[in-house]
Amino acid sequence: QSVLTQPPSASGTPGQRVTISCSGSSSNIGTNYVYWYQQLPGTAPKLLIYMNNQRPSGVPDRFSGSKSGTSASLAISGLRSEDEADYYCAVWDDSLSGRVFGGGTKLTVL
Amino acid sequence: EVQLVESGGGLVKPGGSLRLSCVASGLTFKNAWMSWVRQGPGQGLEWVGRFKSKTDGGSTDYAAPVKGRFTMSRDDSKNTLYLQMNSLKTEDTAVYYCSTDQMPDPAWGQGTLVTVSS
Repeated sequence: QSVLTQPPSASGTPGQRVTISCSGSSSNIGTNYVYWYQQLPGTAPKLLIYMNNQRPSGVPDRFSGSKSGTSASLAISGLRSEDEADYYCAVWDDSLSGRVFGGGTKLTVL
Repeated sequence: EVQLVESGGGLVKPGGSLRLSCVASGLTFKNAWMSWVRQGPGQGLEWVGRFKSKTDGGSTDYAAPVKGRFTMSRDDSKNTLYLQMNSLKTEDTAVYYCSTDQMPDPAWGQGTLVTVSS
C-alpha cells in the first residue's frame, strides 16, 4: 500500500489529452515538491517533471504537471504511441523522513 | 551527456552482503545529491536512500525497510556512489538504480540486478 495513490491504469487514443492523478497528504504533497517519472518498457525511469510543474530540457511541452493541496496531476496532451509507459509520482514525506513513490500508472495508447 | 553506470549486482544468499557501485560522468558529481532506487520483479519504484552533496551537509537518509542494513557512501574524487548491503533478505531482490534529479542534467543509470535467494 503506497503512501501516494495513483490509478493503476489509464488510456487514451492518439491526439487525446490524458491526466494521471497522484493523491497524498499534508506531510508529503501538501508541503513538498512533486516529481514525475516516465518508465518506458524495459528501460530505466526518466525524470519528466520536477518541482511540481517544471520540465527538464528535452522533455516536450506536451507534458505538464500541476499541484493543488494534497494532490498532483500529470497531463499529457497530443497523445502519441511512444507515450505508452509507466508513470510514477514521487515526493518527500516529512513524517517518514524519506521519499515516497506512487504505485505507478500504466498508460496505454489505444 | 550525464551517464550513471551501476555495477556489483549478482546472486547472494539470504543473510549475505553485496556492494553496489555507481560511476558518474558528465556532471559535477561533488555537487550532486545522489539516490538509490530499486524495483522488484514486476513491481513499482521504491526509494532506498539519498546522499546529499558535501556542500549541503553530506548527510544520508534511508527508507525504513533498509535502515540499519544498507549504508551509502561516496568518493567524490572517483565520481562514485556506493551502496553496501548487509543482512540481505529475499525481499531485497530487485533492480537497483542510482539516480540524480540535479538540474540541468537529471539522470538514471541502467540498473544492476540483485537476487537474494538460497
